[in-house]
Amino acid sequence: KAGVTQTPRYLIKTRGQQVTLSCSPISGHRSVSWYQQTPGQGLQFLFEYFSETQRNKGNFPGRFSGRQFSNSRSEMNVSTLELGDSALYLCASSLPSSGSNHEQFFGPGTRLTVL
Amino acid sequence: AQSVTQLGSHVSVSEGALVLLRCNYSSSVPPYLFWYVQYPNQGLQLLLKYTSAATLVKGINGFEAEFKKSETSFHLTKPSAHMRDAAEYFCAVNRGSQGNLIFGKGTKLSVKP
Repeated sequence: KAGVTQTPRYLIKTRGQQVTLSCSPISGHRSVSWYQQTPGQGLQFLFEYFSETQRNKGNFPGRFSGRQFSNSRSEMNVSTLELGDSALYLCASSLPSSGSNHEQFFGPGTRLTVL
Repeated sequence: AQSVTQLGSHVSVSEGALVLLRCNYSSSVPPYLFWYVQYPNQGLQLLLKYTSAATLVKGINGFEAEFKKSETSFHLTKPSAHMRDAAEYFCAVNRGSQGNLIFGKGTKLSVKP
């Protein structure tokens, strides 16, 4: 079974631009979560999508948004990029049932650099 | 509110020595706890998880962790370190029924030959 895939793996943008990152979950997984990882703040939860609906959201500004498609693939978008948005963005998928004990499977991440 | 504290941002051990990585949690409800490992330029891989079935949890690569409610701890151990264990380790707690993980700051493990 293929794992979680994220594209692109690396991205360089300039301040003020916007960016879209893509995540394909493991087949059969309907929940997709996004996390931001930086050296200073560590791993922080962005949002979770389940059945095309945002089910949970972290404490990030409205410049960060996401969506999920009917095939469970997810995208996240960051508008008006700032230098502080430079980070590794990780996507994780999990089984369709709700429940706190379900393991989240992580993709390799997209490394975003904002110049 | 739930939170996780990992004591020690860097831990260095010799090959063959015991590995002990500390994690303390705060949770108002019975927690689900996880340990993940991250190798350079990679995503996170689950080592083990605690879901209240057993207090001693065995994971992959020879790692195990013991849930101690009285100490609110979930420390990760491995009897004998290998060079390939050098990585960053994250302890995480699940935020109730909503599924997202709250991570500790991570502990970078170095293994000396």
